[in-house]
Amino acid sequence: DADVTQTPRNRITKTGKRIMLECSQTKGHDRMYWYRQDPGLGLRLIYYSFDVKDINKGEISDGYSVSRQAQAKFSLSLESAIPNQTALYFCATSDRRRADTQYFGPGTRLTVL
Amino acid sequence: GENVEQHPSTLSVQEGDSAVIKCTYSDSASNYFPWYKQELGKGPQLIIDIRSNVGEKKDQRIAVTLNKTAKHFSLHITETQPEDSAVYFCAASMSQNYGGSQGNLIFGKGTKLSVKP
Repeated sequence: DADVTQTPRNRITKTGKRIMLECSQTKGHDRMYWYRQDPGLGLRLIYYSFDVKDINKGEISDGYSVSRQAQAKFSLSLESAIPNQTALYFCATSDRRRADTQYFGPGTRLTVL
Repeated sequence: GENVEQHPSTLSVQEGDSAVIKCTYSDSASNYFPWYKQELGKGPQLIIDIRSNVGEKKDQRIAVTLNKTAKHFSLHITETQPEDSAVYFCAASMSQNYGGSQGNLIFGKGTKLSVKP
């Protein structure tokens, strides 16, 4: 969905480096999410935010942190990247009036060597 | 917590045939069941959803059925076309419009559908 953008689209980094993935949305939604996708494992929730002052851990938050800089921006950080964090990362948004209908960005492919 | 199982993991059909993907869920409190389609290099896109107060929903060649008693729901694609080739994900949530963690989706592991011309 072009209303949800992610940068970078691809990133290769080395073990131990700090990495930030960014997500921006123009949909005016208050809720934002970060997911990780691994082959054969589907989509797993890392963190979610209901508004700028609300951050919640998801299923697999260890090794990750997030920042909600504004309603439209939600960043995911890997403080010290490790190879098993190699995956596709997706940002998603939803409106609190229909919170379960989520709109996904195009994804960031992260490779940790 | 909720667990969603999805089968099959891969499905190959001839163009024009029907395709069926099945999911089961564990939490009887779940009441919202969306299906997402992910094309190569793109993020998942919602294609159809169903809430627990109905048993079936159709949108052109796509339909979803829900059996609350058995806790399973299925995606049916009729008259498949090559552009239907993609990975399909089912999901479940305990939908609630205001507050709390409700609305978070639990996804199945995906089905890779290939439609052969």
